[in-house]
Amino acid sequence: NAGVTQTPKFRILKIGQSMTLQCTQDMNHNYMYWYRQDPGMGLKLIYYSVGAGITDKGEVPNGYNVSRSTTEDFPLRLELAAPSQTSVYFCASSYSPMTALGPQHFGDGTRLSIL
Amino acid sequence: KQEVTQIPAALSVPEGENLVLNCSFTDSAIYNLQWFRQDPGKGLTSLLLIQSSQREQTSGRLNASLDKSSGRSTLYIAASQPGDSATYLCAVRQTGVNTGKLIFGQGTTLQVKP
Repeated sequence: NAGVTQTPKFRILKIGQSMTLQCTQDMNHNYMYWYRQDPGMGLKLIYYSVGAGITDKGEVPNGYNVSRSTTEDFPLRLELAAPSQTSVYFCASSYSPMTALGPQHFGDGTRLSIL
Repeated sequence: KQEVTQIPAALSVPEGENLVLNCSFTDSAIYNLQWFRQDPGKGLTSLLLIQSSQREQTSGRLNASLDKSSGRSTLYIAASQPGDSATYLCAVRQTGVNTGKLIFGQGTTLQVKP
């Protein structure tokens, strides 16, 4: 009963380094999302995908890239880490039949610090 | 542009009290509204989802209402317990574009004292 799995749970990066945050879901959901949550704030959408091979920008996409080669996986890439990207990153997924959009299911997050 | 606001930012109550958390949104053209719970250091757990055509949803001691025309939702927690201590977030999904994107409020951090 895994749901949405994110790895790693914690990471410290130096400025300018790159890394990939992994996200996988086993619910056969076609919609997947990446959010960031800064202290005392709600979540802001970085990128989303409505299906394999289809991705689009959210509210705060600068400094990030994504790909969606399979239904299950939706990795988020930081190419040149900056201190402003210190945050908690959440991956989510949802099932979307033609006539309704179901609730989003979230992973436990990746806590990223850029020093 | 849709904005979602939750007031208050923090709330502390004694165990056993009934309480109401508030969520307001500026654009009534929503598809649905979702309430989440977030424990410290954890992800979000979906509590209740209300479709735009519905007025309320109930799950155990939780009852969520939706008044789309006034741009308001409330989450009612009956007989609060220390285990209810967490941050509660509401989020709306807009109509018009079938992307499933959610717009979140900042959350209300609830502390229930034994």
